[in-house]
Amino acid sequence: GENVEQHPSTLSVQEGDSAVIKCTYSDSASNYFPWYKQELGKGPQLIIDIRSNVGEKKDQRIAVTLNKTAKHFSLHITETQPEDSAVYFCAVNTDKLIFGTGTRLQVFP
Amino acid sequence: KAGVTQTPRYLIKTRGQQVTLSCSPISGHRSVSWYQQTPGQGLQFLFEYFSETQRNKGNFPGRFSGRQFSNSRSEMNVSTLELGDSALYLCASHSGPVYGYTFGSGTRLTVV
Repeated sequence: GENVEQHPSTLSVQEGDSAVIKCTYSDSASNYFPWYKQELGKGPQLIIDIRSNVGEKKDQRIAVTLNKTAKHFSLHITETQPEDSAVYFCAVNTDKLIFGTGTRLQVFP
Repeated sequence: KAGVTQTPRYLIKTRGQQVTLSCSPISGHRSVSWYQQTPGQGLQFLFEYFSETQRNKGNFPGRFSGRQFSNSRSEMNVSTLELGDSALYLCASHSGPVYGYTFGSGTRLTVV
């Protein structure tokens, strides 16, 4: 079955720095790659997604890049703020969404 | 529009008991997927319902079951609870197969 690996598991950055989280997947048929943010006590929230016909997508300080040949995609957060502190999950589609293991991002003021 | 509502938010049960969790999806969404979230295993897919039919099922024992009603509300049931069933159970409402999942805040189940 589909396997999604996510790195790093934890990431600490200074406010204003950039953060990058990477995921790799195994099923070449996957064509939808969302990213979710989960804050304490809440369910995951979709923050950005990309489909396989696009190599990059941006939304303000957040961007996602996709390399279908290498089967990996990344989340980039620029100018990080303390409120970006949360757990981030990547996911890929098969007949359902398969999630990565999560990255705990801490942004220090 | 109203989000996904999961009830109850917290539950404490004893081993061997059974539990029923409820999920009310976003109005107009006909699909509901359930996930179990634990620190060790992450987000694990339980099952998906569409128009009152189970469309997909994950690798969980038969003690885990679910159903969906005609108004798209869904319930999941866990029978003969084990300590390892302690987890956050998340429900996602969606209009298509995998796109646009909107999660509820989850039900935190503790089995003692």
